[in-house]
Amino acid sequence: GAGVSQSPRYKVAKRGQDVALRCDPISGHVSLFWYQQALGQGPEFLTYFQNEAQLDKSGLPSDRFFAERPEGSVSTLKIQRTQQEDSAVYLCASSLANSLSYEQYFGPGTRLTVT
Amino acid sequence: AQKITQTQPGMFVQEKEAVTLDCTYDTSDQSYGLFWYKQPSSGEMIFLIYQGSYDEQNATEGRYSLNFQKARKSANLVISASQLGDSAMYFCAMREGHSTGNQFYFGTGTSLTVIP
Repeated sequence: GAGVSQSPRYKVAKRGQDVALRCDPISGHVSLFWYQQALGQGPEFLTYFQNEAQLDKSGLPSDRFFAERPEGSVSTLKIQRTQQEDSAVYLCASSLANSLSYEQYFGPGTRLTVT
Repeated sequence: AQKITQTQPGMFVQEKEAVTLDCTYDTSDQSYGLFWYKQPSSGEMIFLIYQGSYDEQNATEGRYSLNFQKARKSANLVISASQLGDSAMYFCAMREGHSTGNQFYFGTGTSLTVIP
């Protein structure tokens, strides 16, 4: 498939557990974004990578959230010591280049439920 | 202040009719981009249409057109000849030119229901 893929699609975690969410962007896409989408809301920016460099992490809600993209392709969003307020859909998006007019291609998201 | 405002939580339209989904934005940048995305119940965000701040013509993509009024800072989406498959959430988004990361700011969305 040529689109952005994310895994797992669904994740249930007990409060306090660590989780890791994976994103496979479209091959060749330089830019990669993570968003958090709460129920009934629009996506909220978390962090941005250009190749392997994390250029913006201003949207990460706390130091429990950590993202990496070590080889400039696959990215992992890690949430430590999950809390109930972390329950949301986490969307990954990639873009061919870091340019204003380039749209972002989104993956199907990972729905995280913290119990 | 909200970067993107969508004031219509839900809209209904008769099949084959046209519908306008409202979006206003707030930015002090001269260079920015406006996007509309569709999110069906499956959850994936689907790109529909793009308008650059310097584009003089309104963008069109098939049945989608963007009514861009720069002075009013509005970027309404017009869907012509609505189809049942158009039922979904619609999000307006903006990317500002000054931002290093070019992150998207999204509105809260409008739920569109097409009635047969």
